[in-house]
Amino acid sequence: AQSVTQLGSHVSVSEGALVLLRCNYSSSVPPYLFWYVQYPNQGLQLLLKYTSAATLVKGINGFEAEFKKSETSFHLTKPSAHMSDAAEYFCAVTRGDTDKLIFGTGTRLQVFP
Amino acid sequence: GAGVSQTPSNKVTEKGKYVELRCDPISGHTALYWYRQSLGQGPEFLIYFQGTGAADDSGLPNDRFFAVRPEGSVSTLKIQRTERGDSAVYLCASSSTGGSSPLHFGNGTRLTVT
Repeated sequence: AQSVTQLGSHVSVSEGALVLLRCNYSSSVPPYLFWYVQYPNQGLQLLLKYTSAATLVKGINGFEAEFKKSETSFHLTKPSAHMSDAAEYFCAVTRGDTDKLIFGTGTRLQVFP
Repeated sequence: GAGVSQTPSNKVTEKGKYVELRCDPISGHTALYWYRQSLGQGPEFLIYFQGTGAADDSGLPNDRFFAVRPEGSVSTLKIQRTERGDSAVYLCASSSTGGSSPLHFGNGTRLTVT
């Protein structure tokens, strides 16, 4: 069965600093991988997705993630954090159209001025 | 067009009662998902529909939980004999085709069992 592990339930950075949120996956077949974001009092929304095209995926709000098969990782990065990036971030994996999407436990990002 | 709509937004019920939670997906989306999210946790998969049929119901915790989607659009999650441990936010999401297409989430129904 597929699964994702998010290392670090809380990450704190200063405004302008690099953001790195870690995600490792486990899948018996080539996976589709996603990052979703949940802002306070809002629903989950898609940040970016990997579907076996380019290994470096660019998403909204300056975020990007790199698929590394050798490390079974799909870490999320942003070069310079903004206060508005404070939210909960979820990594998710699926095997494809006939399969369910499985989420990690989430990482709460705090951004300090 | 409208997004995914979930009603009610909040539901308080007594232990042992029956509840129904409704989800209106985005028009034309064939895939519909139910998740449960407890405080500080990620969304926990419950059930996934393709059209009218449940493609995967492996996440339903026990036989008190049941979901239907009779016409391939609106879905209802039904919980019998509610327990305090059922308290959580129940999320519904839809997507155009299924697993590899992005999910569009509703704002959830917060269920509190007293």
